[in-house]
Amino acid sequence: KNEVEQSPQNLTAQEGEFITINCSYSVGISALHWLQQHPGGGIVSLFMLSSGKKKHGRLIATINIQEKHSSLHITASHPRDSAVYICASGSASSGSARQLTFGSGTQLTVLP
Amino acid sequence: NAGVTQTPKFQVLKTGQSMTLQCAQDMNHEYMSWYRQDPGMGLRLIHYSVGAGITDQGEVPNGYNVSRSTTEDFPLRLLSAAPSQTSVYFCASSYSSGSVSDTQYFGPGTRLTVL
Repeated sequence: KNEVEQSPQNLTAQEGEFITINCSYSVGISALHWLQQHPGGGIVSLFMLSSGKKKHGRLIATINIQEKHSSLHITASHPRDSAVYICASGSASSGSARQLTFGSGTQLTVLP
Repeated sequence: NAGVTQTPKFQVLKTGQSMTLQCAQDMNHEYMSWYRQDPGMGLRLIHYSVGAGITDQGEVPNGYNVSRSTTEDFPLRLLSAAPSQTSVYFCASSYSSGSVSDTQYFGPGTRLTVL
């Protein structure tokens, strides 16, 4: 069974700081998703990775397949980045290739 | 496009009552799913559907029923509500039924309290 662990669970940063959120998973996967959950509860997809690195604005996501590890970086953090960040992995070896396993999330608070 | 819509936003039930959470999407997505989110835990899959007329159980299906009569709609029925079903429920959809790589589109969520 695939297990997904995120660290840290809670993170407080000052505006402008570089932020890293980590995600580890236990089995080989075909896709790794990063999601953002807004304070109001809505969830949006940020990235899907199967290898390497992706960048969107101030957000960068990387994945190391051999180490079963992914990171989400936020450069020049801003209070509007405050949210819960969730990683989810999809394993081709799961009972259904359509199912994702979700981490419990990292609560990020960026102070002005 | 409205994306994925859910109703109601909030609901309070008494133990033993039944209700249906509504979910609809207007993106012609094949795959639809229901998750529950509990404090300190990741989203857990309740039921999913890979197309009209096809549904299957996820990780935590007990106490819930689903049906998919159209591509657009995927209602979740609580048969006899229990306090353990107090949670936030999210409906999600994605384009393809066969890939975990597809972007997931989430509804705004329904906060359910069972007394």
